Formats: sequence, structure tokens, C-alpha cells
Amino acid sequence: EPEVTQTPSHQVTQMGQEVILRCVPISNHLYFYWYRQILGQKVEFLVSFYNNEISEKSEIFDDQFSVERPDGSNFTLKIRSTKLEDSAMYFCASSESAGTIRQYFGPGTRLTVT
Amino acid sequence: GQNIDQPTEMTATEGAIVQINCTYQTSGFNGLFWYQQHAGEAPTFLSYNVLDGLEEKGRFSSFLSRSKGYSYLLLKELQMKDSASYLCAVRGNNFNKFYFGSGTKLNVKP
Repeated sequence: EPEVTQTPSHQVTQMGQEVILRCVPISNHLYFYWYRQILGQKVEFLVSFYNNEISEKSEIFDDQFSVERPDGSNFTLKIRSTKLEDSAMYFCASSESAGTIRQYFGPGTRLTVT
Repeated sequence: GQNIDQPTEMTATEGAIVQINCTYQTSGFNGLFWYQQHAGEAPTFLSYNVLDGLEEKGRFSSFLSRSKGYSYLLLKELQMKDSASYLCAVRGNNFNKFYFGSGTKLNVKP
């Protein structure tokens, strides 16, 4: 079965630093998503992306965050000036189209901000 | 705001049936999803409902009542591997925005 991949699996960074989390969605998928899950808490939608632009974003997704599709395969989440509370698991997901039922989630990147 | 409620934790016995409820109040609705999430892993898709009624898929079934803002996930013939968190998620007015409940941790005991 096709799968979404994410790198790195674990990222440790110091407060104030910038991090880039990388995702490779499934090749024929057109819609991409980032989610966050703080340890022990619920999955939170951050942003959806289609046709090289943001489709929807949540209140969490403020100016500290940005997304990019730098080439035909990668989809990145940049977090500027990281804070302790940014420590979480970040999941990337993709789907074939907006109306598609199923989103495929990647294995996640655990971000630890110290 | 968006509100999705699920019980925090449930325990059931191997071989039994368990029903996990979800109630929601969202500003828009374009479908309700159930995901399974094992500890430390990504959510995996289980089921989807957009019309009222029951959707059955093997040992798993999901029910939706839009007028009541209510759904449940039914797991039959429970197996130890079903021990996981079950997440209820609602897709909003825009097809590209999703709201998740806090998840129900299911413990299956022998």
C-alpha cells in the first residue's frame, strides 16, 4: 500500500530556533495536510494545501508557521522561533482529492523543544 | 467553536462488543470519520459517514445521526490488538478542514 513518509522521525531543537519538518505525500495525491498532537492530547488540524497554496488553516497556524511544496514530491512545515509549547508530534497527511474520504497519515515527526 | 466529545477511556473483554460514542457540535458538517491510533503511531482510517445510518465494514460499524449530532463506532469480536485510541473527527463546511475529538482509549482485556 502506498504510504506517506516523514523526516526526521525525531527532531530536538533549542527554543528560538527554526525547524523544517519534511513530508513526502503519496505521489498521485493532490491535497496535503499538517496536524499536531501534543503528548496525551487530541490531534489538531493545522493547515491544508492544494495547488501550491493554503486551502484552510486553523487558529493555531499563525505567522510562526509556514508550508511549502518546494518541488514535485516534498511538502514542508517550517516553524520559526520555536517555543517550548511547540513540542508535539507533527503528522503529515495526503488525499487524492478534497472529496476523498480517506486521508493517509505519515508516521509523524516528534519535535522536542528544549 | 467546534466541540467533539468522546468518553476518555473504556475497557472491554476479548470477544465482546463495544460501542464508542461521539457527539459533535460544529459550524459545518461534511462527514464524520473514525480513526484508530495505537500509542506512538499515526491515526489510521476506519470509517466514514456522511448520511444517517449504519455503515458496516467487517468487525467495525459506524452509525451517524446528523439531527442529533451523534455517532458511534461499534467493534465486534474484540481482539487484544484492538487496544488503541479511537478518534472521532468531523469535516467542516470546507472539505479541507477537520476537527478531532480527544479520542477514546480502549483497553481490551483477556
